[in-house]
Amino acid sequence: ILNVEQSPQSLHVQEGDSTNFTCSFPSSNFYALHWYRWETAKSPEALFVMTLNGDEKKKGRISATLNTKEGYSYLYIKGSQPEDSATYLCAFSGYSTLTFGKGTMLLVSP
Amino acid sequence: NAGVTQTPKFQVLKTGQSMTLQCAQDMNHNSMYWYRQDPGMGLRLIYYSASEGTTDKGEVPNGYNVSRLNKREFSLRLESAAPSQTSVYFCASSPTSGPDYEQYFGPGTRLTVT
Repeated sequence: ILNVEQSPQSLHVQEGDSTNFTCSFPSSNFYALHWYRWETAKSPEALFVMTLNGDEKKKGRISATLNTKEGYSYLYIKGSQPEDSATYLCAFSGYSTLTFGKGTMLLVSP
Repeated sequence: NAGVTQTPKFQVLKTGQSMTLQCAQDMNHNSMYWYRQDPGMGLRLIYYSASEGTTDKGEVPNGYNVSRLNKREFSLRLESAAPSQTSVYFCASSPTSGPDYEQYFGPGTRLTVT
């Protein structure tokens, strides 16, 4: 069973704060690393799929970096807004399936 | 375009009862997946179907069976429900089973086994 670790488990920030989370994964047999955003009472939705060492992706105020050699990815949110409140999941991709971490729960207070 | 749909949304079963969770997608995706979500755990893969006509076990397949009825539909069956199967079940699909492709999730089925 693959070990995909996310930290912190939860985070509470004020509106306007910038924040970041970490995803650690096995550095061998790497295919891809996925990030998903999961709002309460909704379904997970994909943010990024990252495949190359050094890859950086950006969508609005959210960005992610990838280091496959050391087995970690960072997700950054610049200027957090209340609508960013969600659980952020990372998933390590084998050839056919994903192994998910337990997620980082972000709460942004106005 | 409904995406991924799941029925039912909620279900309560007694121990030993059987039921089938239904999943359908209208995105012409080849690959479909069943996950369960438990408190304090990540999404865990139960079974998946890389393409029509194939199914494979995931991380936690015991107590479940699946059927890939056609390209659109992938059902999950509990033959004899146990309290340990109380969970939220998510179906997902992706264009193919390759690592580069994001998965699209359904709204989930909340199952309680008493």
